[in-house]
Amino acid sequence: AQKVTQAQTEISVVEKEDVTLDCVYETRDTTYYLFWYKQPPSGELVFLIRRNSFDEQNEISGRYSWNFQKSTSSFNFTITASQVVDSAVYFCALSEAKKAGNMLTFGGGTRLMVKP
Amino acid sequence: KAGVTQTPRYLIKTRGQQVTLSCSPISGHRSVSWYQQTPGQGLQFLFEYFSETQRNKGNFPGRFSGRQFSNSRSEMNVSTLELGDSALYLCASSLMIAADTQYFGPGTRLTVL
Repeated sequence: AQKVTQAQTEISVVEKEDVTLDCVYETRDTTYYLFWYKQPPSGELVFLIRRNSFDEQNEISGRYSWNFQKSTSSFNFTITASQVVDSAVYFCALSEAKKAGNMLTFGGGTRLMVKP
Repeated sequence: KAGVTQTPRYLIKTRGQQVTLSCSPISGHRSVSWYQQTPGQGLQFLFEYFSETQRNKGNFPGRFSGRQFSNSRSEMNVSTLELGDSALYLCASSLMIAADTQYFGPGTRLTVL
């Protein structure tokens, strides 16, 4: 069965520090999709990135970057020069192609606190 | 384009009652999924609908049900509420039938007393 593990339940950093959020996944499917979502205190899950299992290119978007490594089943997320507005809970999620639909399996989330 | 909307945003019910939550997807999206979020269990998949047909169902009791209308709007119903049903219920919509990105609404926070 599919599983997503986010071992860091809470991280606290000071503004401008870099921070990496870890995500490890398990799946037997050869085609799958990985996602990161941000949940601010308002509660809405905000989509950040999607990566399919055939695309191991790392991606950078502004202060955000993602490192996908199939060999270690990891999809880590780095925020460079963190800001107070980055404070939120971040979720990693997995969707398997062989399952009909768009069902997501979420990790437990990592609460990031950025202090001024 | 307007995002996913959910109504009501907050709800307080008592044990034994039933509740109906509503979700309007992003315009043009035909897939709607529901998730329950609790501090203890995290984010768990409830069910997914596409073109008025249930495509997937999570591991929840039969008290949890849903439906989708021809305009893609969806409702979920919880009957005989229990204290443990207190949660944030999130709705998400997607354009495609599968392997697509889900966009989430603000959620409905249900409190069962």
